[in-house]
Amino acid sequence: DADVTQTPRNRITKTGKRIMLECSQTKGHDRMYWYRQDPGLGLRLIYYSFDVKDINKGEISDGYSVSRQAQAKFSLSLESAIPNQTALYFCATSDFAANTGELFFGEGSRLTVL
Amino acid sequence: QQQVKQSPQSLIVQKGGISIINCAYENTAFDYFPWYQQFPGKGPALLIAIRPDVSEKKEGRFTISFNKSAKQFSLHIMDSQPGDSATYFCAASRRGAQKLVFGQGTRLTINP
Repeated sequence: DADVTQTPRNRITKTGKRIMLECSQTKGHDRMYWYRQDPGLGLRLIYYSFDVKDINKGEISDGYSVSRQAQAKFSLSLESAIPNQTALYFCATSDFAANTGELFFGEGSRLTVL
Repeated sequence: QQQVKQSPQSLIVQKGGISIINCAYENTAFDYFPWYQQFPGKGPALLIAIRPDVSEKKEGRFTISFNKSAKQFSLHIMDSQPGDSATYFCAASRRGAQKLVFGQGTRLTINP
């Protein structure tokens, strides 16, 4: 079983719809992240959370919101999806105590907004 | 504003050749420079990383070269194999921040 699980893996939706992408982890890590991948732009940070009560905006947070429901769960919401939010979304975790800086990624959620 | 710039965007290398991917950064506070490897349908995974107290780090066929004065670092893949075909991302962060800034990615194809 994957240590970092994302659902759904694929989603097609229409402009204006509310979408939630979910992430759960069994690694016991305290830090969780949401990244967006676009061709030619790499991975860009949307939001990150260093513990359950901590939520921080990344470089491209406009149009997105997040919720850290528990240490193991971090969800990303698009309140009103638009076509330029079509992308591959990744959840990632890291362990502050390990102090390695390594991120552990899920397998991604491909979102298409028509 | 891209804090980490990666080139080339795509690269084709013959089997057995050397693959070289370059990155440049702007923020002198960065002190952790990893490379991630991503296969189709999978998330990125850490390949190799370096801190600026050394100029080179080697793990098997993979080597990071680091030039602090030029604010550049590169990934060299020796004896490239078809199984190395993937997308590679460089990244950078400040110590303790654990908030990585990624480059644009390079799609590497190794022809048999």
